[in-house]
Amino acid sequence: GEDVEQSLFLSVREGDSSVINCTYTDSSSTYLYWYKQEPGAGLQLLTYIFSNMDMKQDQRLTVLLNKKDKHLSLRIADTQTGDSAIYFCAENSGNTPLVFGKGTRLSVIA
Amino acid sequence: NAGVMQNPRHLVRRRGQEARLRCSPMKGHSHVYWYRQLPEEGLKFMVYLQKENIIDESGMPKERFSAEFPKEGPSILRIQQVVRGDSAAYFCASSPKTENSPLHFGNGTRLTVT
Repeated sequence: GEDVEQSLFLSVREGDSSVINCTYTDSSSTYLYWYKQEPGAGLQLLTYIFSNMDMKQDQRLTVLLNKKDKHLSLRIADTQTGDSAIYFCAENSGNTPLVFGKGTRLSVIA
Repeated sequence: NAGVMQNPRHLVRRRGQEARLRCSPMKGHSHVYWYRQLPEEGLKFMVYLQKENIIDESGMPKERFSAEFPKEGPSILRIQQVVRGDSAAYFCASSPKTENSPLHFGNGTRLTVT
């Protein structure tokens, strides 16, 4: 079945950029998503990208998609302590349910 | 516009009891999804429902688990005869339509089986 892989941990200093990476196996993926989960909370949709795009920017967030390598990244500019959370990559194609990675725990050091 | 509402936020059940988890989708959303998150894990798809129909239950355990989304009222995920391994966070998500619509998640129900 489809699989989504992420590194489990990332630690950055406040003010630096964070880059969270994700790889997926489903070549028919049409949408790829980034969700943020803070402790004890649900998942907040941060951004998503359609598979015919290679980049999307939204304020401090930049999503890059390399469809050939099935690689997705999320860059957070000027990372703040409030960005500390778990970030989930997810993908689906058409009517299939979202498939999630295990999440990357981002720690921001002041 | 209220988001996806789940209740209760926390639920404690003894082994063998039944757990009922409720989810009210966002206004205007007719598609509901249930996901389970085990500690230190990502979310695993369980079931996808539309009003009065189960569309995809490929992620549901074959026994003890059931889900419904009636014409009126919230979607219900029911777990009968709970066991310790059922302890997890259960998240509901909704969308206005299935294809290419982002899912909006509730804050989850954290089930603890003692």
